[in-house]
Amino acid sequence: EVQLVESGGDLVQPGGSLRLSCAASGFTFSTYWMTWVRQSQGKGLEWVATIKEDGNEKYYVGSVKGRFTISRDNAKNSLYLQMNSLRAEDTAVYYCIRGLLTFDYWGQGTLVTLSS
Amino acid sequence: EVVLTQSPGTLSLSPGERATLSCRASQSVSDYLAWYQQKPGQAPRLLIYDASHRATGIPARFSGSGSGTDFTLTISSLEPEDFAVYYCQQRSNWPPFTFGPGTKVEIK
Repeated sequence: EVQLVESGGDLVQPGGSLRLSCAASGFTFSTYWMTWVRQSQGKGLEWVATIKEDGNEKYYVGSVKGRFTISRDNAKNSLYLQMNSLRAEDTAVYYCIRGLLTFDYWGQGTLVTLSS
Repeated sequence: EVVLTQSPGTLSLSPGERATLSCRASQSVSDYLAWYQQKPGQAPRLLIYDASHRATGIPARFSGSGSGTDFTLTISSLEPEDFAVYYCQQRSNWPPFTFGPGTKVEIK
């Protein structure tokens, strides 16, 4: 059974940093592109970033470029999202997702809240 | 960036009725469109990919159609568990991948 379990969400001040993690199991992690999507009350579902199987290609939505970094550790079956210079508009539930062209499995999400 | 619009915003129907949801793209996405279902407190679930292909385990009452800029998700006969929010998403012109704002299917 495919499982994706996110962690690392927290209450953080604007300008702060946070690292999200996603533990994957039930499939061969190293053979799949992986994606982060977030969901906020105001903006609905928003694609954030995607990383290739080997980590050598990464893509980001414009609003997070230069602030967020997606990475992975295939030996640990884990996906990460390093978030720096956080803004109020980054408040959202962040989902870890298997896939590139089809988002077929989603984790339950981890909540990131920005508040001063 | 491809902008997706969904209509109606809310659909009020009774169990057993047919639901027809629309998704329109600001430019052609060929048939690279997916549909997701989201229930309160849960992550979205993939229903349909590439406009008309049901994902694994999705009941046959869910069907998708369309190509280019106009797409439809049809639920042939609503079951109680089908009342949820439905999103469309395109993968034709990426990055970025984009989602529609959603259609809520509520019990009348």
